[in-house]
Amino acid sequence: DQQVKQNSPSLSVQEGRISILNCDYTNSMFDYFLWYKKYPAEGPTFLISISSIKDKNEDGRFTVFLNKSAKHLSLHIVPSQPGDSAVYFCAARSSNNNDMRFGAGTRLTVKP
Amino acid sequence: NAGVMQNPRHLVRRRGQEARLRCSPMKGHSHVYWYRQLPEEGLKFMVYLQKENIIDESGMPKERFSAEFPKEGPSILRIQQVVRGDSAAYFCASSPINAESTDTQYFGPGTRLTVL
Repeated sequence: DQQVKQNSPSLSVQEGRISILNCDYTNSMFDYFLWYKKYPAEGPTFLISISSIKDKNEDGRFTVFLNKSAKHLSLHIVPSQPGDSAVYFCAARSSNNNDMRFGAGTRLTVKP
Repeated sequence: NAGVMQNPRHLVRRRGQEARLRCSPMKGHSHVYWYRQLPEEGLKFMVYLQKENIIDESGMPKERFSAEFPKEGPSILRIQQVVRGDSAAYFCASSPINAESTDTQYFGPGTRLTVL
């Protein structure tokens, strides 16, 4: 059961432009959402998170938007840099559950 | 300030052998999670452990797989009688004591298991 979906397996963006990565979820019990970045041969690295009581969280070049009614969140990276090229995983969890559900990931390529 | 450590980084086994994957959480972390990433798929939760306790193993296959987190030493994910379908990257993550539901998990570099 794919409770967290990232429908775009890949995204290519020019350096300096905005990257928008999307994520949809089906479980209305999820109340905390995270984005992880993963480079080849490394473990995922936490990037940014958002609680369901908020609709936006910003950290430097990274902003996560949450639309609870649509069960949709997105990660915006602006301006995009070549070093941002990686696989980005969206993850979600609920307060009364221990497991974290991940999407399949989106491979972002930022071209110089 | 060492992060989450996993070893080995690469493990090759023949069908029917046993695989043991080790995870040492970050210092001060007493919660350990194991995830599996199959080729072309996202990370899938397997099991959540605290010291000497399995808290949630709802993502663990019912047969051949087991996990432990002893009082001393690393957490171990054990796969008995491996099959080709077990080939995947296995990631361990840890979070601090008194973890709240919003706590971030810190991931290790993963162990890539290849079953011949």
